[in-house]
Amino acid sequence: KQEVTQIPAALSVPEGENLVLNCSFTDSAIYNLQWFRQDPGKGLTSLLLIQSSQREQTSGRLNASLDKSSGRSTLYIAASQPGDSATYLCAVDGNTGKLIFGQGTTLQVKP
Amino acid sequence: GAGVSQSPRYKVAKRGQDVALRCDPISGHVSLFWYQQALGQGPEFLTYFQNEAQLDKSGLPSDRFFAERPEGSVSTLKIQRTQQEDSAVYLCASSLDRDRASFGPGTRLTVT
Repeated sequence: KQEVTQIPAALSVPEGENLVLNCSFTDSAIYNLQWFRQDPGKGLTSLLLIQSSQREQTSGRLNASLDKSSGRSTLYIAASQPGDSATYLCAVDGNTGKLIFGQGTTLQVKP
Repeated sequence: GAGVSQSPRYKVAKRGQDVALRCDPISGHVSLFWYQQALGQGPEFLTYFQNEAQLDKSGLPSDRFFAERPEGSVSTLKIQRTQQEDSAVYLCASSLDRDRASFGPGTRLTVT
């Protein structure tokens, strides 16, 4: 059974810092991996999707990497801003369509 | 364009009441998913439809939970005889293909 773990559960940084969020999964047979952002009381916004054949994806200040063999992904946020404050969720698709989510990392960026 | 919409956004039910949660997917989206998100947790899969066919209901926690999508568009998640442990945010997502699902804002259910 696929399990997804995110570390740390919460993170507080000063504005301008670069930071890394971690995600690990137990079954390397995945179809893709996504990073989502969730703001309080809101739905999920997909930030980056990495296919199983890819190593990384970039969008603006965000970079996500994928190492299937070790069952790990990282989300790198450069030059963090207060507007980046949210919960970040990692989810894997094991070729069934349904997503298995981690518990999330709640990020606070202080001005 | 319009995204996935869900109604009601908030629902308070007394223990034992039945509730019905609605999801309006993006027009033309074939796949529809329901997830349950408890406070402080990541979403957990409940069920999956491809058009009107319910292909996977392995995540439904008990036979009190029932979902339908009779015409392949709008979907309803029904919970009978609600219990306090059913309190959660219920998220609906739809997609045209396998890769990118769009999520709705969720329905926050509180069972008192």
